[in-house]
Amino acid sequence: AQKVTQAQTEISVVEKEDVTLDCVYETRDTTYYLFWYKQPPSGELVFLIRRNSFDEQNEISGRYSWNFQKSTSSFNFTITASQVVDSAVYFCALKGDSSYKLIFGSGTRLLVRP
Amino acid sequence: NAGVTQTPKFQVLKTGQSMTLQCAQDMNHEYMSWYRQDPGMGLRLIHYSVGAGITDQGEVPNGYNVSRSTTEDFPLRLLSAAPSQTSVYFCASSYPIGTSEETQYFGPGTRLLVL
Repeated sequence: AQKVTQAQTEISVVEKEDVTLDCVYETRDTTYYLFWYKQPPSGELVFLIRRNSFDEQNEISGRYSWNFQKSTSSFNFTITASQVVDSAVYFCALKGDSSYKLIFGSGTRLLVRP
Repeated sequence: NAGVTQTPKFQVLKTGQSMTLQCAQDMNHEYMSWYRQDPGMGLRLIHYSVGAGITDQGEVPNGYNVSRSTTEDFPLRLLSAAPSQTSVYFCASSYPIGTSEETQYFGPGTRLLVL
């Protein structure tokens, strides 16, 4: 079975704070893919990153960074110096190589206050 | 490229009515899928298609039908709407399964209210 857990339902920070969104996954596949999507208040789903299971390098893109740790089955997302425009719901998702299905976590709502 | 488009943006139905949610993509993607999003539950897969003429069920297929006669279009049909189908529906498409470019891109969503 495949499962994605985002234990943080809602996080509230003040602008310029750093914030980390947690994602823990379960899969029996040896090859799998992890994703993060952003859903701003306007409602669309915006692709942020894809990480393959065989590539454990962490990635940084501007103020965003992702920490993939196979040993703890986690794929955490950090926003540095948060801004009000970062306020959104963030989804972590998993796709195993044995399945066509993309499994989503329940999402973390991030509120960045000015 | 228009990407993934969905119509309508918003729809109100009465219980028992039928309707079709339209989804189209102009990226020549093989894989297309439908999800529903309910509060606190993330997105759940309804049906998916790996190519024209091929469809399969996802996690929550009951009450929905799909067909894929062309690469571009993947409509979702509600045969007899129920209040439990009130949700936001997203269509997605992606590059070929199993390739390094396989990433699902989502349409803008259709908000459905069943009274």
